[in-house]
Amino acid sequence: GAGVSQSPRYKVAKRGQDVALRCDPISGHVSLFWYQQALGQGPEFLTYFQNEAQLDKSGLPSDRFFAERPEGSVSTLKIQRTQQEDSAVYLCASSVSIGDIQYFGAGTRLSVL
Amino acid sequence: DQQVKQNSPSLSVQEGRISILNCDYTNSMFDYFLWYKKYPAEGPTFLISISSIKDKNEDGRFTVFLNKSAKHLSLHIVPSQPGDSAVYFCAASDYGGATNKLIFGTGTLLAVQP
Repeated sequence: GAGVSQSPRYKVAKRGQDVALRCDPISGHVSLFWYQQALGQGPEFLTYFQNEAQLDKSGLPSDRFFAERPEGSVSTLKIQRTQQEDSAVYLCASSVSIGDIQYFGAGTRLSVL
Repeated sequence: DQQVKQNSPSLSVQEGRISILNCDYTNSMFDYFLWYKKYPAEGPTFLISISSIKDKNEDGRFTVFLNKSAKHLSLHIVPSQPGDSAVYFCAASDYGGATNKLIFGTGTLLAVQP
């Protein structure tokens, strides 16, 4: 595809459920980022992959958050035992390599009830 | 502690006039700055960037100015068009760092009135 694709676009979860959010980066992009955007705020960094290696996970808010990119392409962000404060838009971005412009997907809006 | 600040939540300008969006930062390690534009229900779209070795970068109707001593940057849009109405995010990065993660401001909603 031409851009970064994220699915699902919307996800409603009951508190305590596990969720998995998918990101298809632009083909050939080495770097992949996940950001969390709360209502009325700017995106906040969660984690970064270079190919399949997760080089920075300093932004993950708790050990309930887990991300992977096993083959260096598609990435999944998993949230276990969701809480209401996890409600946000989760954005994925990719870039050709480190230092290049990051291109964002449309995001997944997660609502935890 | 917010490292990138956009103090104006919203801005309204008339079509054809200049729009000026402002951004302040606190971390002197930041050496690369970007502006992203966001429409509702879409992801942020890259607009323009500037390296800390420059004080101005221009791309068509969009110009970004950087004042390193004041830790301030601004985005000028001339002339403003109704299609420019969107939320504009300022972002900063330490490109000498390991990940080049972006630190975003809270955004400014620009409304261009026809």
